[in-house]
Order: sequence, then C-alpha cells, then structure tokens
Amino acid sequence: AQSVTQLDSHVSVSEGTPVLLRCNYSSSYSPSLFWYVQHPNKGLQLLLKYTSAATLVKGINGFEAEFKKSETSFHLTKPSAHMSDAAEYFCVVSDPVGAGKSTFGDGTTLTVKP
Amino acid sequence: SAVISQKPSRDICQRGTSLTIQCQVDSQVTMMFWYRQQPGQSLTLIATANQGSEATYESGFVIDKFPISRPNLTFSTLTVSNMSPEDSSIYLCSGGQGQYTEAFFGQGTRLTVV
Repeated sequence: AQSVTQLDSHVSVSEGTPVLLRCNYSSSYSPSLFWYVQHPNKGLQLLLKYTSAATLVKGINGFEAEFKKSETSFHLTKPSAHMSDAAEYFCVVSDPVGAGKSTFGDGTTLTVKP
Repeated sequence: SAVISQKPSRDICQRGTSLTIQCQVDSQVTMMFWYRQQPGQSLTLIATANQGSEATYESGFVIDKFPISRPNLTFSTLTVSNMSPEDSSIYLCSGGQGQYTEAFFGQGTRLTVV
C-alpha cells in the first residue's frame, strides 16, 4: 500500500521569496516519487521525479526536491518564487511494479503575492 | 515520452445518459489508467485498463458505472453511465511505460452533467 500526505493545503509567498511545499509518503516498496503542477484549467505537468538515483532532484523552472528516506519526505523547493508559479501542486507516489499507477496527494495551492 | 490525446475535451450531458471518453497514446504503453478529478479535489484512480481483459477497479468504482475497454496497447475508452450531476468532474487518462518511470497524462475531459 502507498499513500502521500501534503502537509499544507495552501501556501502563500511573496514574489522573489523561497517556496517550500511539504510532502510525506508511505510505501511498501522503494518508492518512485513525483511532483506535478496544474495551472488553472490546464493539464498536469511533470516538475521532477525521484526514482532511486540521486536524492536531490532538479526539475524544471528552478524547482528541486530532496528525497529523505529517514524522514519519509519529498519536499519541493524553489529559491525565488515567480508570479507564474501560482498553481496547484501534487506530490505523487508511484507503484514501481504497476508501471505508472499513481497515488496523488490532496494538493497544495501556491499563491504568489506581488 | 508519450503523448496522450483525449476526446472529447469537454461535454455537457443530460442526467441519465452515458458518455464515452476516448484515450489515444502515440506509442505503446505497458499500463493505462483512468482517473477522476472532482471540482477542487485531487486525482483519484478509477481503474487500471488491461489490454484484452476486464479492467481492475479501485474501491468505490464499479464496472457497471464505469465500463472500460482497452483493445490494444495504445487505445482505451471510459464510459460514464447513467450520469448524475455528481459525476461532473474532469476525467483523465494516463499511461505508464515501465518500472520507475512517470505516468503521462492526457489533458482531461471536463464533464458537466445537468
């Protein structure tokens, strides 16, 4: 069984300040973890993925995440927020045997203030 | 990466009717999945579409309500049967190509039942 908990339903930051979106996971397997972003009325876009290689993963648009097995966490960060980062973010754990069968967190809404 | 196309992109349907959503992948994928995203919510897995056999449904979803077909490795359909306003959601198709790889998502079908 696998599950994902996104610890914040809403995060608000000012433009140019750091972003931290928190995610904890539970998995019976060695997990594959992902962050997706969904802009209003748009499809899902993959930001980054962890699949048992380097624990610090760099993604698109300046985002990165660190896999910490001891803390069962996979937090998403960005050094400096941009207005265009405002969106819904989903942390996802994937069943490695299921080849893409994904369990989504509840999502975090990121608001960026000017 | 695979590209997934869904048709229709949106529809408004009368209660009691059925709608079939098509999902086409531009390359062969090992697994295909159907998800539902209710308004303001995260994605919930409906079922795994199995090629040439009955789909595997998640708890809370049944074949009579959501019949699924997958005649080959690149195509699947989801039917939402006997619709009610509670079925108003975005329905997304996704595909996976192997272990430790991310799932690819279609743009979704936005369904409104009136």
